Amino acid sequence: GESVGLHLPTLSVQEGDNSIINCAYSNSASDYFIWYKQESGKGPQFIIDIRSNMDKRQGQRVTVLLNKTVKHLSLQIAATQPGDSAVYFCAENSGGSYIPTFGRGTSLIVHP
Amino acid sequence: NAGVMQNPRHLVRRRGQEARLRCSPMKGHSHVYWYRQLPEEGLKFMVYLQKENIIDESGMPKERFSAEFPKEGPSILRIQQVVRGDSAAYFCASSPAASSNNEQFFGPGTRLTVL
Repeated sequence: GESVGLHLPTLSVQEGDNSIINCAYSNSASDYFIWYKQESGKGPQFIIDIRSNMDKRQGQRVTVLLNKTVKHLSLQIAATQPGDSAVYFCAENSGGSYIPTFGRGTSLIVHP
Repeated sequence: NAGVMQNPRHLVRRRGQEARLRCSPMKGHSHVYWYRQLPEEGLKFMVYLQKENIIDESGMPKERFSAEFPKEGPSILRIQQVVRGDSAAYFCASSPAASSNNEQFFGPGTRLTVL
């Protein structure tokens, strides 16, 4: 999920596989993290969030892991489906700021 | 309960014209945020408003751009004398309160194309 080059990082998986999307953040004061899903032509949609006092949080088919030591966040999607194809953004809030900082995004492509 | 609504969904303007983008927050939400997104990039914060007040406009260009959120009606992002570099998707989000732990709900966006 690191931002390099001019194109979005892309993850291609087969339907039914598990997907892991990664995000690195730089602000050690960040205390709230959100994963958003953005389908083509639509606005970002909330998937799951996690606060800095937690290492892991699970939702329906999704799990977010937070490693504060290395400032790393990951989103795991179990049994990936074609409908999961989208761009996934991580966002962080730091030190009481109400304005999240968005990462550049990772494009997930699920092949049937 | 309708979500965040934005209109128009697509807007085409010629250089030098004005663009007006509208955003109606979710019912019960009094905080509105505007973001801009270029192709294959993340969202960049522009401005944060409450009813009748601009709270933070640190992400908004000082010239040609303005925003308002009147007591009645939608929030408006106004771009005067548009240039080709203004072409982007503009997203509005709303939240019930200002908090670092509050989820923001996004609208479908307005895609501005400047010819």
